[in-house]
Amino acid sequence: KNQVEQSPQSLIILEGKNCTLQCNYTVSPFSNLRWYKQDTGRGPVSLTIMTFSENTKSNGRYTATLDADTKQSSLHITASQLSDSASYICVGGTASKLTFGTGTRLQVTL
Amino acid sequence: DAEITQSPRHKITETGRQVTLACHQTWNHNNMFWYRQDLGHGLRLIHYSYGVQDTNKGEVSDGYSVSRSNTEDLPLTLESAASSQTSVYFCASSDTGTGGKLYTEAFFGQGTRLTVV
Repeated sequence: KNQVEQSPQSLIILEGKNCTLQCNYTVSPFSNLRWYKQDTGRGPVSLTIMTFSENTKSNGRYTATLDADTKQSSLHITASQLSDSASYICVGGTASKLTFGTGTRLQVTL
Repeated sequence: DAEITQSPRHKITETGRQVTLACHQTWNHNNMFWYRQDLGHGLRLIHYSYGVQDTNKGEVSDGYSVSRSNTEDLPLTLESAASSQTSVYFCASSDTGTGGKLYTEAFFGQGTRLTVV
């Protein structure tokens, strides 16, 4: 059964600090790993998409890494802002079949 | 700008009633998906379509149906609503990967919060 596990489940950090979210996946078939940001009451919005041959991809203050050998990915957020408060969802799969993690709930405080 | 819209945003219905949730996209995407999101679960795939007249069951399809009569719309019907179908429903669309492309961007609607009482 395809699975995507994320840790931690929730995280509170001070504004301006960095943080790293983790994702372990067991997905087949697999061609890409995605990170989405989901604000409360909204649909997920794509942050990064990496193919199995890519190791890292950045989108502004968000940097995702992928180790296809160990089936692990991480999302690093630099210099966090209050607007980063959201759920971050790791997703693995193919162009048309995706398996979603349950997300990490991030709260950025003053 | 192209977009994907869901309606209604909120709905309360009674057990046993038939309910249809609308999804409309102007991306001209071939692929459309319906997911449900519940606490403690990642988004779970209900039904999906790769084009007009094509529909497929996802992992949690029991009690749901879809039809695809045009590119833009994929309505989701709950045949006889049950309390277990209380959830937030998301529609998404993506283009077909061509030319060896291993991924295509998926765009999500704002969600429909459905409560079955």
